[in-house]
Amino acid sequence: QVELQESGPGLVKPSETLSLTCTVSGGSISSYYWSWIRQPPGKGLECIGYISYSGSTYYNPPLKSRVTISVDTSKNQFSLKLSSVTAADTAVYYCARIARSGWFWDLWGQGTLVTVSS
Amino acid sequence: DIQMTQSPSSLSASVGDRVTITCRASLGISNSLAWYQQKPGKAPKFLLYAASRLESGVPSRFSGSGSGTDYTLTISSLQPEDFASYYCQQYYSTPYTFGQGTKLEIK
Repeated sequence: QVELQESGPGLVKPSETLSLTCTVSGGSISSYYWSWIRQPPGKGLECIGYISYSGSTYYNPPLKSRVTISVDTSKNQFSLKLSSVTAADTAVYYCARIARSGWFWDLWGQGTLVTVSS
Repeated sequence: DIQMTQSPSSLSASVGDRVTITCRASLGISNSLAWYQQKPGKAPKFLLYAASRLESGVPSRFSGSGSGTDYTLTISSLQPEDFASYYCQQYYSTPYTFGQGTKLEIK
C-alpha cells in the first residue's frame, strides 16, 4: 500500500530555512495533490499548503511569503521549504495525501519533529 | 477564514459509553467536513468525510451527521482503542481549517 515518509533535519537555527522531503512509496505521486501540515507541540493542526503532481500550488496565506512546496515526479517526492524560521515554527511536520473525493487528507506520513533553536 | 470550534475540548467516558463531539463552523460549509482521530505521538487517521461518509475500514460505531454550520461525530459504544483526540476539518473553502481538537479520555 502507499506510504509516506518525511525526512530532513530535526533542528534548524532561527532565521534559517527549514527543508523537508516526503517520499511516496508503494504508488505513484501522479494524479493526486500532496500537502504539508504541521502541529506545534500540544496544539492543533495547520495546513501549510499543497501541490499537484503537475506543480500547481496553494499556500496558507499567513505562511505564503516564506513557503515553497515543490514536486519531483521522477523521484516520487515532494518537498517543503520554510524560510526565516523562528521558535514559533517548532512543530511536528506531516506530509499527507489529499483524497480524490475531496479536499481532505486520507493518508499521512508518520510526522517529523522540527525544533527551531540556536 | 472559516473558524472551526469543537466542543467539548476534553471528555471523560467509559468503555461502552456513547459519546458525541460537536464541531461548529463560523459559516455554513455545506457538509464539507472531515473527521480525524489522533493518538499520542501518531499521525492523524482519517475517519469520515462529507460529514457522514465513513472511510473504508473505519468501524461502524463511528458516525457523523449535521448540516449548515453544526456537525457531530458520534461513537456509539466506546472501545479501548477509541481513546484519542479527534479533529474536525472543513474543506468548503481555503484555507482549509481544523477544529482545536477534543481529547477523549478514560473515566
